[in-house]
Amino acid sequence: SQTIHQWPATLVQPVGSPLSLECTVEGTSNPNLYWYRQAAGRGLQLLFYSVGIGQISSEVPQNLSASRPQDRQFILSSKKLLLSDSGFYLCAWSVGSGSRDEQFFGPGTRLTVL
Amino acid sequence: AQKITQTQPGMFVQEKEAVTLDCTYDTSDQSYGLFWYKQPSSGEMIFLIYQGSYDEQNATEGRYSLNFQKARKSANLVISASQLGDSAMYFCAMRAMDTGRRALTFGSGTRLQVQP
Repeated sequence: SQTIHQWPATLVQPVGSPLSLECTVEGTSNPNLYWYRQAAGRGLQLLFYSVGIGQISSEVPQNLSASRPQDRQFILSSKKLLLSDSGFYLCAWSVGSGSRDEQFFGPGTRLTVL
Repeated sequence: AQKITQTQPGMFVQEKEAVTLDCTYDTSDQSYGLFWYKQPSSGEMIFLIYQGSYDEQNATEGRYSLNFQKARKSANLVISASQLGDSAMYFCAMRAMDTGRRALTFGSGTRLQVQP
């Protein structure tokens, strides 16, 4: 069965510090991968998605970046965090190509920038 | 562009009763999919049910059913026989397929509280 891992689970970082969040998927090949952010009490905002190694699409211009160095690994990074980067970061995967292609989410990382 | 609107920030329901969570959507695409996810306090997003724009029958998954009214662009979630464990945030989402974009657009969510 497929499993998605995210770490760390929680993170407290000072403004201006770097960030690296990691997401890995097990039990599937060539998944579509996604990074979402959820602000407190809000819905999910798509940040990046990837359909293959090295292929990254950015949805929202900001100080975050994403990379996919391996088929089942997706990394979210920042060189200098802002207060507005605080939130709940969710990684998701899917493997379909039609309209169904439901996404399955990881446990999330709760980031607080102080 | 796609947009999902969930007009109920919070809902209460008595245990064992049915509840309907509203969702309306806006898209110019002819082919699209509609999804509902549940987010308990732990934060994980749990996929509940899917409806395709060309599906003629309303989707059902156990106690969940989707009341799809295409002309009204609504995709309401119906939970029958509510249980205490149903208390959570519920999000409606859409994927519009005409442009080939794979990502989901989410609504702002509805917080459901099931009372004993």
